[in-house]
Amino acid sequence: DIQMTQSPSSLSASVGDRVSITCRASQSISSYLNWYQQKPGKAPKLLIYSASSLQSGVPSRFSGSGSGTDFTLTISSLQPEDFATYYCQQSYSTPPTFGGGTKVEIK
Amino acid sequence: EVQLVESGGGLVQPGGSLRLSCAASGFTFSSNAMSWVRQAPGKGLEWVSAISGSGGSTYYADSVKGRFSISRDNSKNTLYLQMNSLRAEDTAVYYCAKRGSYSHWYFDLWGRGTLVTVSS
Repeated sequence: DIQMTQSPSSLSASVGDRVSITCRASQSISSYLNWYQQKPGKAPKLLIYSASSLQSGVPSRFSGSGSGTDFTLTISSLQPEDFATYYCQQSYSTPPTFGGGTKVEIK
Repeated sequence: EVQLVESGGGLVQPGGSLRLSCAASGFTFSSNAMSWVRQAPGKGLEWVSAISGSGGSTYYADSVKGRFSISRDNSKNTLYLQMNSLRAEDTAVYYCAKRGSYSHWYFDLWGRGTLVTVSS
């Protein structure tokens, strides 16, 4: 199975900050990397698929980049509603696997 | 409205069984592969199982292979997960999720989840 490692596991930031979360795969996954946002008690929500494609309805302040083994989710200007946990997930091979999550907290 | 609604969770003893259901609406259910993803309390996401749109192909995580069985009834727009020989480590919120791509497993629609607790 492909292992996904996210860093950091948590971060504190202020409204308006630029935030970046990284995800590393244990082997090359081309661009088959997806990002989800999860708020407490809620289901995950797809933000980015195929490394850089923005899911319909997701604000443009979210962006994704990378290929091969290293990927980044960037929030250009953090908003109050963005405080949540973010997960990466590879869809290159079965089983699909998730990173451990990055919790974005209010500073 | 496009949605997935899970049901069937609850408290079950170790070694017991439970069947989860996921009712789909607002999209062509039979054209879409589906999955179950779980989340243990305070933990991350773990893919559990998947099934093709026709139901002809099924996939399982090693952690549940031989104990869980995924199926679907396209006439009822419903996905199922039959869980047998349950263990404490199966305790989690179970989400059903729709595959977002024809050929790759990412998930563009999720239900709210149903909690399964395995405890004596």
